[in-house]
Amino acid sequence: GEDVEQSLFLSVREGDSSVINCTYTDSSSTYLYWYKQEPGAGLQLLTYIFSNMDMKQDQRLTVLLNKKDKHLSLRIADTQTGDSAIYFCAESGGSNYQLIWGAGTKLIIKP
Amino acid sequence: DTAVSQTPKYLVTQMGNDKSIKCEQNLGHDTMYWYKQDSKKFLKIMFSYNNKELIINETVPNRFSPKSPDKAHLNLHINSLELGDSAVYFCASSHGWQDTGELFFGEGSRLTVL
Repeated sequence: GEDVEQSLFLSVREGDSSVINCTYTDSSSTYLYWYKQEPGAGLQLLTYIFSNMDMKQDQRLTVLLNKKDKHLSLRIADTQTGDSAIYFCAESGGSNYQLIWGAGTKLIIKP
Repeated sequence: DTAVSQTPKYLVTQMGNDKSIKCEQNLGHDTMYWYKQDSKKFLKIMFSYNNKELIINETVPNRFSPKSPDKAHLNLHINSLELGDSAVYFCASSHGWQDTGELFFGEGSRLTVL
């Protein structure tokens, strides 16, 4: 069945760039998403990319999509303490249009 | 104004009890969901309703019963609570059932079963 995989943790220094990676199996996905979950809160849609795009940039966020390798990444430039959260990758390949979710990557910021 | 609100935020109860979690959205969306997030943060869809009609019913024990009195509300009732039901339950909504990528989540209801 469809699957989305992410590393569970990423630790970066404040001010550095963070790169969170995700791989997926369903090549028919139309959209791929990044959601952010801050401690004690619900998930918020951060950004998404259409499957016919290679890159999308939005201020400090850059999403790269490699369809051939089924690899999605989220780069956060100049990482701040407010970026501490769990980042979920999801793809729209499930039945009934449901999202297939990764397990989430916890981003830890070191001072 | 909170877009998707769920109550209660915390719920502590004994095994065997019955409890409910309520959810309301003021976004005018047609589709609402219940998700379960376990202690490892893994997210699993439980139910989805579109205009009060059930469209997704994943392999969830039938002790869990969703109810949608109107398209702005989706409540979750759980009978005979078990230890394994301890989790954070998230309500979410989207414009329509084909817009499932753009979800708006509530803040979660943390259920602890003792």
